Formats: sequence, structure tokens, C-alpha cells
Amino acid sequence: QKEVEQDPGPLSVPEGAIVSLNCTYSNSAFQYFMWYRQYSRKGPELLMYTYSSGNKEDGRFTAQVDKSSKYISLFIRDSQPSDSATYLCAFPNFGNEKLTFGTGTRLTIIP
Amino acid sequence: ETGVTQTPRHLVMGMTNKKSLKCEQHLGHNAMYWYKQSAKKPLELMFVYNFKEQTENNSVPSRFSPECPNSSHLFLHLHTLQPEDSALYLCASSPSGGGVRWNEQFFGPGTRLTVL
Repeated sequence: QKEVEQDPGPLSVPEGAIVSLNCTYSNSAFQYFMWYRQYSRKGPELLMYTYSSGNKEDGRFTAQVDKSSKYISLFIRDSQPSDSATYLCAFPNFGNEKLTFGTGTRLTIIP
Repeated sequence: ETGVTQTPRHLVMGMTNKKSLKCEQHLGHNAMYWYKQSAKKPLELMFVYNFKEQTENNSVPSRFSPECPNSSHLFLHLHTLQPEDSALYLCASSPSGGGVRWNEQFFGPGTRLTVL
């Protein structure tokens, strides 16, 4: 079983739609949860992080964590063409500086 | 310059060539990383340096040789690469010292490497 599972897509949705991006993980030691966004020809940038179950909202973005199911989600409301990017979930490893990444989901918002 | 910069942005090399990738961070961080990014695969951590000392070598073939002369600069020396080494090579940096901030990595734009 892979430590992190993320559907690579691609995912195409019309502008204005709600987007749901998801990752599952198997390592119970993961306590923090991150979402990175990577635009074409750029490196990943941290979008959001959270360390508790439940929801965390930042503008049009909501990160949701369900530790009991080992499942995290990123929701994008009122999606814009500028949201077109690859979204990677990332899990900090306890006690060191390393991150475990998902494969990334490539998202395209169609105007 | 701000953030993390990488040069060159694109590199094409033959299997017998020797080349180097350069990374520089302007964030005052003490940890630096090399990653390999291939299509449909998770980011692969290659090397980690903390305060110029290598703390991680993730079973990387010896044809990749990292160098960290100071906390702001990181190099990846390449020699006798294989076509399967073609990928995007990303450099990242982060603060050291524990806590969530330790894991917040800032990435450069990457070097797109093609090995012929």
C-alpha cells in the first residue's frame, strides 16, 4: 500500500464550479497536512496547512481533514482559470524536516 | 533576487557530459533540498543539507553529486547520466529548528533536464 494516494487527474471543470481534490494516507504518524500548488513551469508553493481534523478556510479555499479515515481534501469555491495548476498534498514527517508528497492532481478550469 | 532561484532553467546533455545545476536561496534558511519530479510520480527527495551538512542521501546513484558550500547555495553535479534521469529537478529550502515552520519548504522554479 502506498503511503499517500492522490488521483493524478487530469481534472477539468468549468469556471465557477466547486472543485474537490483529495488524498488518502496510511501513516498514522502524520499530524500536519499541507497543500501545495504548482503552476506550469514553476516550483510548488505552499497553499495551506492544517494540523487538526475539521475544516480550515482561506478565501475561496477550504482544507478538510478526517484523521479517522486518513483522508484530506481541498475545496476550491468559485473556481477561476487562474486556479489551473497541479495541486499536491504533502505530509510532514514527525521529528525531521522531510515531506511525503502525493503525485499531484492536474486541474484545469475552463473559462 | 528573492526566494529560491535555480540555474539553468533548461538543460540538454549527452550521456557522457558533465554539467552542474545551481540553486541559491535568499530567505535566510538553513536547510536545503534536491528533488526529482517526474510525470505521474510523487516528488522524490534526493538530498538534504542542514547547516551545510548532508543529512539525507535517499539512495541516489553516484552519478548525482551534491555540494553545499554554504547555507545559501546548493549544487548538483551531473555526470554520465542516463535517459531515465530526464526530469524536472527542484531545489527547496526551509527554516531549521523543529516545528511546523521546519517543514514549510520553499521551492525554486526547477531545471528541466533532458538526457539524450
